[in-house]
Amino acid sequence: QKEVEQDPGPLSVPEGAIVSLNCTYSNSAFQYFMWYRQYSRKGPELLMYTYSSGNKEDGRFTAQVDKSSKYISLFIRDSQPSDSATYLCAMSAGYGGATNKLIFGTGTLLAVQP
Amino acid sequence: EPEVTQTPSHQVTQMGQEVILRCVPISNHLYFYWYRQILGQKVEFLVSFYNNEISEKSEIFDDQFSVERPDGSNFTLKIRSTKLEDSAMYFCASSAGFRETQYFGPGTRLLVL
Repeated sequence: QKEVEQDPGPLSVPEGAIVSLNCTYSNSAFQYFMWYRQYSRKGPELLMYTYSSGNKEDGRFTAQVDKSSKYISLFIRDSQPSDSATYLCAMSAGYGGATNKLIFGTGTLLAVQP
Repeated sequence: EPEVTQTPSHQVTQMGQEVILRCVPISNHLYFYWYRQILGQKVEFLVSFYNNEISEKSEIFDDQFSVERPDGSNFTLKIRSTKLEDSAMYFCASSAGFRETQYFGPGTRLLVL
């Protein structure tokens, strides 16, 4: 089983739609969860950073972590054409661990149609 | 807003040649990283660097790779003898602390012929 799994898409939605992006993981040591956005041929840009389980909201973006199911989600409300990009989930191990390396999913390519 | 910068943006080299990829991390950051992304694949961790030494490295980071912080601002990745399979996008990242956000640079696209 892969450490982090993410549906690569592509996912195409009309402007204004609610987008749901998801990742599953197998390593129960992961405690820190991130969503990065990556435009074509650019570096990953952090969108959301959460610790442990729960929800976090920032503007049109909501991140959810369910550690019991080993499942994380990113919701984008009122999606815009400028949201079209690849969305990467990333995670790292938590307390007691000596590592802070990020383990990435494959990324989901999102296209928001005007 | 402070950002991580990388040079060059593109590099083409012949197999067996040495390449040095350069990064300027955000100025008050203490932790530095290299990741790579082979075309169509996921971003993979290569190495982390703190207090002038490697703190962690992946299986990919073999003896052909080395990192250095030659002065107070630059952070470099050297590949001694490039292979075809080293062709990838290489990202530098930095963070203020061990559990702080890792900020990524725009990447260097390396093509080994």
